[in-house]
Amino acid sequence: SQTIHQWPATLVQPVGSPLSLECTVEGTSNPNLYWYRQAAGRGLQLLFYSVGIGQISSEVPQNLSASRPQDRQFILSSKKLLLSDSGFYLCAWSVGRWNYGYTFGSGTRLTVV
Amino acid sequence: GESVGLHLPTLSVQEGDNSIINCAYSNSASDYFIWYKQESGKGPQFIIDIRSNMDKRQGQRVTVLLNKTVKHLSLQIAATQPGDSAVYFCAENNATDKLIFGTGTRLQVFP
Repeated sequence: SQTIHQWPATLVQPVGSPLSLECTVEGTSNPNLYWYRQAAGRGLQLLFYSVGIGQISSEVPQNLSASRPQDRQFILSSKKLLLSDSGFYLCAWSVGRWNYGYTFGSGTRLTVV
Repeated sequence: GESVGLHLPTLSVQEGDNSIINCAYSNSASDYFIWYKQESGKGPQFIIDIRSNMDKRQGQRVTVLLNKTVKHLSLQIAATQPGDSAVYFCAENNATDKLIFGTGTRLQVFP
């Protein structure tokens, strides 16, 4: 069965520090991968998506970047965190439009202090 | 731009009653819709989906209704239970690999 792993679950980082969040998928090949951010009490904002290794599409200009070094690995990074980067970060995967949409990871709660 | 929104930010229901959560979408080209449930501190979980060639789809205790004429989507939960308390999101897709999510409705179930 397919599973998605996302870590860490919580993270507190000082302003100006770097960030690296990792997401890996098991049990499927060539998935579409997504990074979302969710502000407290709000909806999901798509940050990046990838349809293959090294292929990254950015949805909004921001202080973050994404990379896909392997088929089932998706990394969200920042060189210098801002206070506004705080939020709940969710990784998701899909293998086609009609297959139940996305499957989400358990999320990372990032607090920038 | 394209958007998916919800009419009610918070819905409170008594345990055992039926719940109805509504969603409006603006992109008439959207042809696939999904409802997600998100519990506090967790990622969203798939509940039920529906394609635009259908008006109604039923699952276990849940029913999704789609009215393409007025671009409206609803999620009905029968015999609401305390475990149904969560935030519910609708999402739409229109021939791309991206889902557009609404802002969410919080469902509160009281005894």
